[in-house]
Amino acid sequence: DIQVTQSPSAMSASVGDRVTITCRASQGISNSLAWFQQRPGKVPKRLIYEASALESGVPSRFSGSGSGTEFTLTISSLQPEDFATYYCLQHKSYPPTFGQGTKVEIK
Amino acid sequence: EVQLLESGGGLVQPGGSLRLSCAVSGLTFSSYAMSWVRQAPGKGLEYVAGISSSGGSAYYADSVKGRFSISKDNTKNTLDLQMNSLRAEDTAVYYCAKGQAESTYWGQGTLVTVSS
Repeated sequence: DIQVTQSPSAMSASVGDRVTITCRASQGISNSLAWFQQRPGKVPKRLIYEASALESGVPSRFSGSGSGTEFTLTISSLQPEDFATYYCLQHKSYPPTFGQGTKVEIK
Repeated sequence: EVQLLESGGGLVQPGGSLRLSCAVSGLTFSSYAMSWVRQAPGKGLEYVAGISSSGGSAYYADSVKGRFSISKDNTKNTLDLQMNSLRAEDTAVYYCAKGQAESTYWGQGTLVTVSS
């Protein structure tokens, strides 16, 4: 199975901050990675697919990059509604595996 | 509009069984693999089971192998998850999702609580 290591597990940030979350895959997965945002009590919402493609309707302050084994999700200027938990998901091979999640909290 | 609607969750005793269902509309169901993902209270997302577009191939996480069975009815546009020998650690919200869960299309989730 491909392991996905997501970091950090939690972080405190202020409105306006630039935030970067990283996922590392245990083997190359090309660009088969998606990023999700989950607010408390809500369904995970896809932000990024194919590592860097922005989901329709998602603000442009979100961006994804990377290929192979290292990937990043960047929020260029954190907004109040962005405080949530973020997950990456590799779907290059079965089983698909999620990162452990990153909880972004208000500083 | 694509919709995925889960049903069948509830409270069940340890060792009991439950069958979850996901009704799908707005897409050509027979063309897509489907998945179940769960989230225990306060925990992260866990991929539970997946099935090919035809229903001919299935995958199970080690944590549920031998106890859970995924099936797909391409005539009724439904995805099911039969859960047997349930344990307390199976308590979670269960989501159905299009594809390998990499899709934007997820259901709202159904809560399964395993407790005596």
